[in-house]
Amino acid sequence: AQKITQTQPGMFVQEKEAVTLDCTYDTSDQSYGLFWYKQPSSGEMIFLIYQGSYDEQNATEGRYSLNFQKARKSANLVISASQLGDSAMYFCAMLSNFNKFYFGSGTKLNVKP
Amino acid sequence: NAGVTQTPKFQVLKTGQSMTLQCAQDMNHEYMSWYRQDPGMGLRLIHYSVGAGITDQGEVPNGYNVSRSTTEDFPLRLLSAAPSQTSVYFCASSLGTSLPQETQYFGPGTRLLVL
Repeated sequence: AQKITQTQPGMFVQEKEAVTLDCTYDTSDQSYGLFWYKQPSSGEMIFLIYQGSYDEQNATEGRYSLNFQKARKSANLVISASQLGDSAMYFCAMLSNFNKFYFGSGTKLNVKP
Repeated sequence: NAGVTQTPKFQVLKTGQSMTLQCAQDMNHEYMSWYRQDPGMGLRLIHYSVGAGITDQGEVPNGYNVSRSTTEDFPLRLLSAAPSQTSVYFCASSLGTSLPQETQYFGPGTRLLVL
């Protein structure tokens, strides 16, 4: 069975510091995709970053990077230089080889000034 | 492009009523999907479609029906609403149906309250 686990219900980070949000996954698929989404208090889902299971290099998108450790089945999101606008819920998700998306329960990030 | 649109934004139903949540996209995406988001549980896949005329079940399909007669539209039908279906419903679409996968684009969501 496919499963995404986010063990940090809530996190605090000081403005301008880096923060890592944890995500582990469980799948028997050889090919899969890993995603991170941001959900501000307004409710919309915003795509942040994508990592394919066969990608050898960690994905980066501006201040976001994905620390992909395939053997450990982890896909942690690293946000560098946190900003107040980064305060939101963050969801890790996986696309299986059979066109199904699975989401974790989310981490609520609070950035303190 | 309008992206992914959902109507209505908010709906109140009585137990046993039926209704259809509308979802449309104007990006010519093949893949469309419906999720529900309950507090503390993230998003769970209800149904998805990889193209017109093709639909399949996700994690939590019971109580919901879908159809995909056109590429653009993917309505979600609640057959007989129950309080357990109180949730926020998101529709999403993406270009491809195989890995590597482009991101999904999400609609703004529909808040449904079943009394």
